[in-house]
Amino acid sequence: SQQGEEDPQALSIQEGENATMNCSYKTSINNLQWYRQNSGRGLVHLILIRSNEREKHSGRLRVTLDTSKKSSSLLITASRAADTASYFCATDGGGTALIFGKGTTLSVSS
Amino acid sequence: ETGVTQSPTHLIKTRGQQVTLRCSSQSGHNTVSWYQQALGQGPQFIFQYYREEENGRGNFPPRFSGLQFPNYSSELNVNALELDDSALYLCASSLGTSGGIHEQFFGPGTRLTVL
Repeated sequence: SQQGEEDPQALSIQEGENATMNCSYKTSINNLQWYRQNSGRGLVHLILIRSNEREKHSGRLRVTLDTSKKSSSLLITASRAADTASYFCATDGGGTALIFGKGTTLSVSS
Repeated sequence: ETGVTQSPTHLIKTRGQQVTLRCSSQSGHNTVSWYQQALGQGPQFIFQYYREEENGRGNFPPRFSGLQFPNYSSELNVNALELDDSALYLCASSLGTSGGIHEQFFGPGTRLTVL
């Protein structure tokens, strides 16, 4: 079963625009992570936010976490064509395994 | 420092056969996790190995089994293949203890097709 659910399922934007994708989860977590996947290949870790953090930045990425609402958002600013990929949130659910959502497919056109 | 590698890249098998997928973890990592990703879905956790011991298992039948070797590389074995086993199989390594989730480093995956 999948813990996280990303929203929207698909997002199309122009280069230079910001992209926001959201993730909801069901159980208590120790941390939440975001990953990117290009063309059905391996996943690349983007950012990890711990349950006691509310916001974290990494380059053009900004992640927020609201544990009371069991939700997180990933903001990519000034999007580029190279950002075209699928984005997944993953939680630990208090256990030892990452539990992924179905992902958001982002398409950035020039 | 070498990244996570997986072999083979692609594999075609027929129903009922057995398959072995291999993964070399990133240098210094002692934990390996395996995931199955069906088309259009997120990765599903199969199992994790920490220092050669199974350290957690997802909702997969016993015909999915694994090993971790002293050098922390790992194998995923699937017996009696079914059509629904067709998927991308991802290996991820991390440096961790027996509890807690750390940043995971994924290999490029093995695309398995079962005919």
